Amino acid sequence: EDKVVQSPLSLVVHEGDTVTLNCSYEVTNFRSLLWYKQEKKAPTFLFMLTSSGIEKKSGRLSSILDKKELSSILNITATQTGDSAIYLCAVDSNYQLIWGAGTKLIIKP
Amino acid sequence: EAGVTQSPTHLIKTRGQQATLRCSPISGHTSVYWYQQALGLGLQFLLWYDEGEERNRGNFPPRFSGRQFPNYSSELNVNALELEDSALYLCASRIRAYNSPLHFGNGTRLTVT
Repeated sequence: EDKVVQSPLSLVVHEGDTVTLNCSYEVTNFRSLLWYKQEKKAPTFLFMLTSSGIEKKSGRLSSILDKKELSSILNITATQTGDSAIYLCAVDSNYQLIWGAGTKLIIKP
Repeated sequence: EAGVTQSPTHLIKTRGQQATLRCSPISGHTSVYWYQQALGLGLQFLLWYDEGEERNRGNFPPRFSGRQFPNYSSELNVNALELEDSALYLCASRIRAYNSPLHFGNGTRLTVT
């Protein structure tokens, strides 16, 4: 059965810290991996990764895919309170998206 | 570019009634997805429409149904509402069926009393 597992499930850090969120997957036909940030309502798109080893970067956020290890990491440097959210990972496989349960990130001032 | 729009924002119904939720995808997007998110829980996949056809459905009873119109907008119908149907219903669209990001609407908060 296809599955996506995110870790940790929750994380509390202080402003200014760097965090690394993990997403591992077991799917039959990998096409891409997507990261989202969900605050109040709608998840907002962060990154889409299709190739191994190529880092995607946006400001303080970056992500990389490792197809050998069947995983991806999302890094956030110099965290701010506005980074507090649930971070979701999804894998595109066989025309369906398989979602992880998310990592709840809390940034303390 | 307008994002994915959903209506209504909030909907209050009583048990046994029917609810209809609407979604307009981003212009040019042909794939529409529906998700249920109960309070404190993850995204549960409901339905996927592409080019007017239902392509896949999640593990939900048949009283959850929907359709996609020729202009790619979509509606989700929930019949015989139950208390546990209370949740945020999110619609998302993307430009093609795979390898493109999903863009989400702000959702419809359905409360069943």
